[in-house]
Amino acid sequence: ILNVEQSPQSLHVQEGDSTNFTCSFPSSNFYALHWYRWETAKSPEALFVMTLNGDEKKKGRISATLNTKEGYSYLYIKGSQPEDSATYLCAPRNYGGSQGNLIFGKGTKLSVKP
Amino acid sequence: DGGITQSPKYLFRKEGQNVTLSCEQNLNHDAMYWYRQDPGQGLRLIYYSQIVNDFQKGDIAEGYSVSREKKESFPLTVTSAQKNPTAFYLCASSTDSRETQYFGPGTRLLVL
Repeated sequence: ILNVEQSPQSLHVQEGDSTNFTCSFPSSNFYALHWYRWETAKSPEALFVMTLNGDEKKKGRISATLNTKEGYSYLYIKGSQPEDSATYLCAPRNYGGSQGNLIFGKGTKLSVKP
Repeated sequence: DGGITQSPKYLFRKEGQNVTLSCEQNLNHDAMYWYRQDPGQGLRLIYYSQIVNDFQKGDIAEGYSVSREKKESFPLTVTSAQKNPTAFYLCASSTDSRETQYFGPGTRLLVL
């Protein structure tokens, strides 16, 4: 089973601040990395799927990078807004069989104060 | 509207009782999944199904059972053998087992 670490566990920022958090995972046998946003009382929502080393994806003010050789991904939020408050989950996937299932980190809980 | 529905939103289980959580999707997805969330933990995979009439155990299958008789439906039964069933349960589906998963709203199971 993959060991997935997300840091920090929680983060409190002011509206307008830019922020970033980290997802670390074993780099061997890597297939893909998924980022999800989970707002309170809603379903987790897919943000990005990343597969290649050096991948960079962007969706509005949110972007993510991927380093498969060292086993980490960063998620950046530029100019945080209160509606960005959510738990951000990363989930890497390996090649093959049951190892091909997503393994979710515990998440980073972001709170943005107006 | 296409999506995934889970029912009920809250479910109460008595000691020794089996309960079934419903998950339905109209996205025409082949693969479906059940996850459990406990406080301070990541989502953990209970069971998954890559296609109708087939399912596989995930990391924490003990005390649970599933069926996949229809493409749209993947019910999860929490049996009396599951000694710590209190948790939040999420169902998800994807076009195939390698693609992005889409989640339902979840069911919170509580023990009386």
